[in-house]
Order: sequence, then structure tokens, then C-alpha cells
Amino acid sequence: DGGITQSPKYLFRKEGQNVTLSCEQNLNHDAMYWYRQDPGQGLRLIYYSQIVNDFQKGDIAEGYSVSREKKESFPLTVTSAQKNPTAFYLCASRGNINSPLHFGNGTRLTVT
Amino acid sequence: GESVGLHLPTLSVQEGDNSIINCAYSNSASDYFIWYKQESGKGPQFIIDIRSNMDKRQGQRVTVLLNKTVKHLSLQIAATQPGDSAVYFCAEAPAGNNRKLIWGLGTSLAVNP
Repeated sequence: DGGITQSPKYLFRKEGQNVTLSCEQNLNHDAMYWYRQDPGQGLRLIYYSQIVNDFQKGDIAEGYSVSREKKESFPLTVTSAQKNPTAFYLCASRGNINSPLHFGNGTRLTVT
Repeated sequence: GESVGLHLPTLSVQEGDNSIINCAYSNSASDYFIWYKQESGKGPQFIIDIRSNMDKRQGQRVTVLLNKTVKHLSLQIAATQPGDSAVYFCAEAPAGNNRKLIWGLGTSLAVNP
């Protein structure tokens, strides 16, 4: 059964620590995306990658970093430079730019 | 961008009624539109999409209508069920720029039994 797996579902960190969120897909999609969702708001794009070993900044990339060493994997690191890291993080992929995004079930990060 | 606060528009319907969720899109270059359903604690789930060469598309119990003249999109859900309770997002995809999606803020649908 193909899909996108995000882990863990809940993550707690102390302020000042970096944390990495995992995203794995077995849909054989070239493009992968990271979004941030805050209560009552739409989705905001953090980073995206259209092909292995390449990625671009989205609208709110400051304080985040990514890598795309494998087609299946697109991990997101939330660094200590991110001022408001507590949020719901969503990973998505799509097979081509004329197709809808497929989403994972998200990771809820809480930083205290 | 400007925050619109924590309160989503809410539509409350009776089970069995039809629901209509509206969305105004912003970019004249958008030629692909998508509706997603998001249940609490989960990722958005694709419902239906439509391209600008169509003005109506039907799926199972859902219909999307596109009015390019007034840049308006609507999602109609027939015979709404309690399982339809969720937040519904529209997204528009402008041609070019790698088709980065522009997301609406969402509408919360509450189905009363």
C-alpha cells in the first residue's frame, strides 16, 4: 500500500535543540514538500525538492534545513534559529506538477 | 502575510442535507484547482480536482464548480454524513513557477446528526 510516512507523530524538544523530522514515501514520486500548519491557518511551504540532490526554499525557510539524498526520503531539520518552531508539520509528494499532492499524517512538534 | 486569527469559517449542516463550501481564488494565472479534506490530527486528503478548461467535475458524492469569471470555486457534498465533518481546503496552482500551490485558509464543516 503506497503512501507517505511521517515519524514520529508527536515530538517534544527543549528550546535551543535541533530536531529532525522524518518523511519517507514509496510512491516513486520525484517531488517532495514540507509544509507548516498553525491553528486556523492555511499551509505554508517551507522547502521543496523536485529531484534527488536538489531542493529550493519555500516561503518560510528561515530556521529550517533539508536534504534529499534519496528519492524516497526528505528529512526536515528544525534548527534552534527557528523562532516559533511549535507547529504541525506536513510532508507531501507528487508525481508531476499537474497532479495533486499526497500528504503524510504529520508530525506535531512542541518546543518548550 | 496578515494573520486572520484562529477562527475558521464554519458551516454547520444536518445529516443528509447537501453542503456547499466556497472558495475565492486570487491568481488569474491559476489553471488547476484542488480540494482537500483534513480531519483532526491527520494530513490533508485529496478529494477532487479540476482544470480551467472545465467548469464542473463530479466525483462520488462531490461536485466541484469553477467560475473563472469571478474567480470562484465551490465544493458540493451530497447527502452529507457525519464522516464528512472536517476542515476543507481549496488550493490553486498557477501555471509556471513549478505550480507552487496557493492555499485557502479552510472551512470547518460540522455535520449534526
